[in-house]
Amino acid sequence: GDSVTQMEGPVTLSEEAFLTINCTYTATGYPSLFWYVQYPGEGLQLLLKATKADDKGSNKGFEATYRKETTSFHLEKGSVQVSDSAVYFCALRDWRAGGTSYGKLTFGQGTILTVHP
Amino acid sequence: EAGVAQSPRYKIIEKRQSVAFWCNPISGHATLYWYQQILGQGPKLLIQFQNNGVVDDSQLPKDRFSAERLKGVDSTLKIQPAKLEDSAVYLCASSSRGPLENNEQFFGPGTRLTVL
Repeated sequence: GDSVTQMEGPVTLSEEAFLTINCTYTATGYPSLFWYVQYPGEGLQLLLKATKADDKGSNKGFEATYRKETTSFHLEKGSVQVSDSAVYFCALRDWRAGGTSYGKLTFGQGTILTVHP
Repeated sequence: EAGVAQSPRYKIIEKRQSVAFWCNPISGHATLYWYQQILGQGPKLLIQFQNNGVVDDSQLPKDRFSAERLKGVDSTLKIQPAKLEDSAVYLCASSSRGPLENNEQFFGPGTRLTVL
């Protein structure tokens, strides 16, 4: 079945440091890939997405490129801020041609990011 | 536009008791999802509705969990009786189009359930 694996956390960085959170996936169909963010006390929010191979999703300085050859969708940001402290989830949505996946989201386990001033 | 509303935000019960959670999706959203998020894990889909019909409930523990969306708007998720392993955050999400269309899911703040 479908699965998403994220790098082990938590991740602790100083402000303005470079961020990478690794994400790899397994899917049998033609997945769309997502990064969601959960700020303390808030609900999940879509951060960025990519719907096909080689697409790059970007938002708020974060980027991720859909790499079909390595089945990866790593999240990057060049200079993190304290306000980026949150839990980040990688997810996929599988669209099997003629199948019945119903487009459900499959999430990774989440990575806690803490950014210090 | 108002977001997805959920209540209560927190609930503490003892094992073998019953509990119900309520979700009101974004107005006009046809598809509604319930996810279970156990501490340290990502959300896992429990059930998915399209209007008032069930699209996918393959991961819902039907011996103790039930859900309904009678009028195709708000929804209730019930656990009866609760077990210790049901302690989790229960997330509701909605999207504007059908489940086979690639549109964004919007999440509510969740209900944190603690079973003692």
